[in-house]
Amino acid sequence: NAGVTQTPKFQVLKTGQSMTLQCAQDMNHEYMSWYRQDPGMGLRLIHYSVGAGITDQGEVPNGYNVSRSTTEDFPLRLLSAAPSQTSVYFCASSYHGTAREQYFGPGTRLTVT
Amino acid sequence: TQLLEQSPQFLSIQEGENLTVYCNSSSVFSSLQWYRQEPGEGPVLLVTVVTGGEVKKLKRLTFQFGDARKDSSLHITAAQPGDTGLYLCAGDGGTSYGKLTFGQGTILTVHP
Repeated sequence: NAGVTQTPKFQVLKTGQSMTLQCAQDMNHEYMSWYRQDPGMGLRLIHYSVGAGITDQGEVPNGYNVSRSTTEDFPLRLLSAAPSQTSVYFCASSYHGTAREQYFGPGTRLTVT
Repeated sequence: TQLLEQSPQFLSIQEGENLTVYCNSSSVFSSLQWYRQEPGEGPVLLVTVVTGGEVKKLKRLTFQFGDARKDSSLHITAAQPGDTGLYLCAGDGGTSYGKLTFGQGTILTVHP
């Protein structure tokens, strides 16, 4: 199993550009989530999904969209990038079907100039 | 909104010393997890505690869940340079069902 994979590893965007961060897992986990990590602020939940076709907002959803058309994939879309979205983004999944005991991907480091 | 206060934020110690990291909340959690993260990588799950008063040991690491399931601690005995990293506590359940609430993290540096 590859676990949770994320692409790209690094990305630089200009303000106003849009892009999609890809996340995939091959463990047949129902629960998937997206976090951003900023210095001194731990991990903050952006969006999460408890199964295909079901998504919900987390703590900091503004400026981000998600969809879950398959169990395996959970892409995160930045609609119009802003410098405040400069961060490291992590995708995670859990076999519990809830947020408990998540497996994290390697992260995407995004810089918005 | 459930919050987890983690302390200390930074810890710099010598090899062989003991240390404790605390994770406190005013909210009750269904479970508390501890993760360890190394630079450039995602967090890796160390342990999950579920029952109030539960104690789990992982080699030199001891994890405890408070009786009221509102707090947790991580104790490392005889720290080694390989223990260096970011330690994160995270709680799930309660009023934040479906979400994991993270503490701010403790950056541990163990000097040889």
